[in-house]
Amino acid sequence: TQLLEQSPQFLSIQEGENLTVYCNSSSVFSSLQWYRQEPGEGPVLLVTVVTGGEVKKLKRLTFQFGDARKDSSLHITAAQPGDTGLYLCAGGKISTGNQFYFGTGTSLTVIP
Amino acid sequence: DTEVTQTPKHLVMGMTNKKSLKCEQHMGHRAMYWYKQKAKKPPELMFVYSYEKLSINESVPSRFSPECPNSSLLNLHLHALQPEDSALYLCASSQRLAANTGELFFGEGSRLTVL
Repeated sequence: TQLLEQSPQFLSIQEGENLTVYCNSSSVFSSLQWYRQEPGEGPVLLVTVVTGGEVKKLKRLTFQFGDARKDSSLHITAAQPGDTGLYLCAGGKISTGNQFYFGTGTSLTVIP
Repeated sequence: DTEVTQTPKHLVMGMTNKKSLKCEQHMGHRAMYWYKQKAKKPPELMFVYSYEKLSINESVPSRFSPECPNSSLLNLHLHALQPEDSALYLCASSQRLAANTGELFFGEGSRLTVL
């Protein structure tokens, strides 16, 4: 059973389109991270959110942490081929002995 | 460039071989992790070391044996693996344990193929 469910699982879009990836859970997390992983590489941290309702922007990427700290979203504006990769949300739960959980992943392909 | 270095980048081994994967970080991080990842799937946690002591073992088969010789090094010893163990093995480190808003720094991974 996955604590963090991402949707969609796969996404293929044209360059220039906008998209949103969702990361949902029924559990409360003390923090949530978003990572991007390119083929043949390890995941690279994009952002950490810790406060309910927090919004962070990284160039064309906007990250939001839900008010109840149970969910998050990643919005990409005007997607580019360089955005192609596997997007992973991940969250930490101090209440369960410092466990850290990855989401189910969203594989994004941006077509030139 | 990643500050977590993994070697080898690719490894092919038979089911009777013994090999090791190595990971090194020089960021002064005190938590180190081994993950296993299949294609387009999220990483699966295998082991966590905190201050050079094994703190989490996610019921990994004994054919995988971790070792943390010092705070900068993490090894994964492999013996009598099965073809289904073929995967990308990722090492990561963090300044604090990940749940405490500690962020993970990953290496590029070791691509393992078991014949």
